[in-house]
Amino acid sequence: DTVLTQSPALAVSPGERVSISCRASEGVNSYMHWYQQKPGQQPKLLIYKASNLASGVPARFSGSGSGTDFTLTIDPVEADDTATYFCQQSWNDPNTFGAGTKLELK
Amino acid sequence: QVQLKESGPGLVQPSRTLSLTCTVSGFSLTSYGVSWVRQPPGKGLEWIAAIWSGGSTDYNSALKSRLSISRDTSKSQVLLKMNSLQTEDTAMYFCARFRQLGYFDYWGQGVMVTVSS
Repeated sequence: DTVLTQSPALAVSPGERVSISCRASEGVNSYMHWYQQKPGQQPKLLIYKASNLASGVPARFSGSGSGTDFTLTIDPVEADDTATYFCQQSWNDPNTFGAGTKLELK
Repeated sequence: QVQLKESGPGLVQPSRTLSLTCTVSGFSLTSYGVSWVRQPPGKGLEWIAAIWSGGSTDYNSALKSRLSISRDTSKSQVLLKMNSLQTEDTAMYFCARFRQLGYFDYWGQGVMVTVSS
């Protein structure tokens, strides 16, 4: 299975820019998607196919990358962005998720 | 609007069979696929199974021998059965609508399943 590696945690101050990385163990073309999950809630789609903003998601969120290295960027970060962010690939079978990056605000 | 809602027993004994139902509204199961994804407490997400709009099915190979996914289009429901439950199957189980590119655009709130005697 394709393993997706994410940093466990990040801490940033409101108003700053943050980049959350996701590295795949094998190429996934551009079939990388990003989700936000707040405690006690279901995941919410942010970005699909590497760089496409999902409906209703603020333009502060953006995605980039292809192949094996991908990045979710939030600029500027707001207090409400405290959450865990997961990447997911759907190029290789089965589709897999990263372990998540917990974003905390200082 | 698009909604998905999971239902099922909160507690299941080890070695028994789990049956979960996902009831959808705001879209047709013959137009969109639905997957099940689970999340053990404090851990990450694991895709379990999918049923496509045409009715074909896919399973996580690690769980395939224990799984069955089906649907009742007249009731707008997707059903998941998992047998031989163990404590490591304790998790929040989500159903989610998936798109052709493989991402999940709408999720249910999830149902917590605890495997314990």
